[in-house]
Amino acid sequence: DTEVTQTPKHLVMGMTNKKSLKCEQHMGHRAMYWYKQKAKKPPELMFVYSYEKLSINESVPSRFSPECPNSSLLNLHLHALQPEDSALYLCASSQEEGSTYGYTFGSGTRLTVV
Amino acid sequence: EDQVTQSPEALRLQEGESSSLNCSYTVSGLRGLFWYRQDPGKGPEFLFTLYSAGEEKEKERLKATLTKKESFLHITAPKPEDSATYLCAVQDYGQNFVFGPGTRLSVLP
Repeated sequence: DTEVTQTPKHLVMGMTNKKSLKCEQHMGHRAMYWYKQKAKKPPELMFVYSYEKLSINESVPSRFSPECPNSSLLNLHLHALQPEDSALYLCASSQEEGSTYGYTFGSGTRLTVV
Repeated sequence: EDQVTQSPEALRLQEGESSSLNCSYTVSGLRGLFWYRQDPGKGPEFLFTLYSAGEEKEKERLKATLTKKESFLHITAPKPEDSATYLCAVQDYGQNFVFGPGTRLSVLP
């Protein structure tokens, strides 16, 4: 299995809702990442997990809460989001944090906050 | 601070019309330079990693080259299915990973 699987593919949520994004990989990668991508912009790093521990938090607002239950799973819990948080949320994984063998990205979750 | 710029911002080619995309970078110490392809609404797809000046890598109609200041992605005889955004990224020895803004390529039949 050489894929990163993200669910759901699309999500519409109100500003008072609580929802979660899920990411799964079975490549034995020990680093997992959350990125946010706005239209016609490059991906922006949000969080890095290395060996199931939070390694990097790029000053992301607390309304985004990451969780890594095990080495194959990564969640992003969403609460009280704003319309400007609407974006494509990408999960990625790599063999180790900072691997030069490239990151494998999922297809993303298209989030719309209304 | 690491910086990556890409040019042109957008490029339209006729099928079979070869061209090159540019990625210019400033980095404290280059650990790797990456090229990714991204289709609309999808995640980036890894293409190449280049590690040192003078290195070249090829994949089908794509060839990536690296100098000390920039990288080129050469597209030979492109086809409409090569239409996508091509992202360049650099990684330094502090493991910082920075994407460039991308080049949107359209190949017309």
